[in-house]
Amino acid sequence: ETGVTQSPTHLIKTRGQQVTLRCSSQSGHNTVSWYQQALGQGPQFIFQYYREEENGRGNFPPRFSGLQFPNYSSELNVNALELDDSALYLCASSPGLAGGPSDTQYFGPGTRLTVL
Amino acid sequence: SQQGEEDPQALSIQEGENATMNCSYKTSINNLQWYRQNSGRGLVHLILIRSNEREKHSGRLRVTLDTSKKSSSLLITASRAADTASYFCATWVTGTASKLTFGTGTRLQVTL
Repeated sequence: ETGVTQSPTHLIKTRGQQVTLRCSSQSGHNTVSWYQQALGQGPQFIFQYYREEENGRGNFPPRFSGLQFPNYSSELNVNALELDDSALYLCASSPGLAGGPSDTQYFGPGTRLTVL
Repeated sequence: SQQGEEDPQALSIQEGENATMNCSYKTSINNLQWYRQNSGRGLVHLILIRSNEREKHSGRLRVTLDTSKKSSSLLITASRAADTASYFCATWVTGTASKLTFGTGTRLQVTL
């Protein structure tokens, strides 16, 4: 167990709807990153938050947005859902500003989103 | 886009055999990490090797890194059925905003 939790486990939405996914990091972890993993692929970096500020973004459109809260919880919001948004969404936390030479990220179990 | 490519894409071995997976990447890195993923669930960190290290061991795992060839290998010795999973290499790409970039993964099947 990594101490990182995500909710819900599974979610089904229809095209055009909006969704909010939640993540609870380990206490003391100031960095949270979100990834999208399509079936059969490796995870793709969406964005990262450090102390409640966005600190890097991958090649995802603005309809993917996030929030990080002082209590080490965070959210991923996706507006105007498209069929291609169907994927496993993973959050990962780390103690400091991720990316250092000895940094490790701790992943949650993921939320499986299906868009119909 | 994927930074790394794992080889092979799929590997099937019998329990007790060794499993070797390879990873190639494209740009300069701070470190390279290997993760395991069971049945499309969360990733579990296995081992991290820094760019100035050439080999690292952890239990039945042995990782090598060749920065001149931009490649790494993961060896699992004396494999067990419980090792059945997908394995990913991931790199911190220098000069980016803390972006951990994953390869495409190797699906390992260990049979009894």
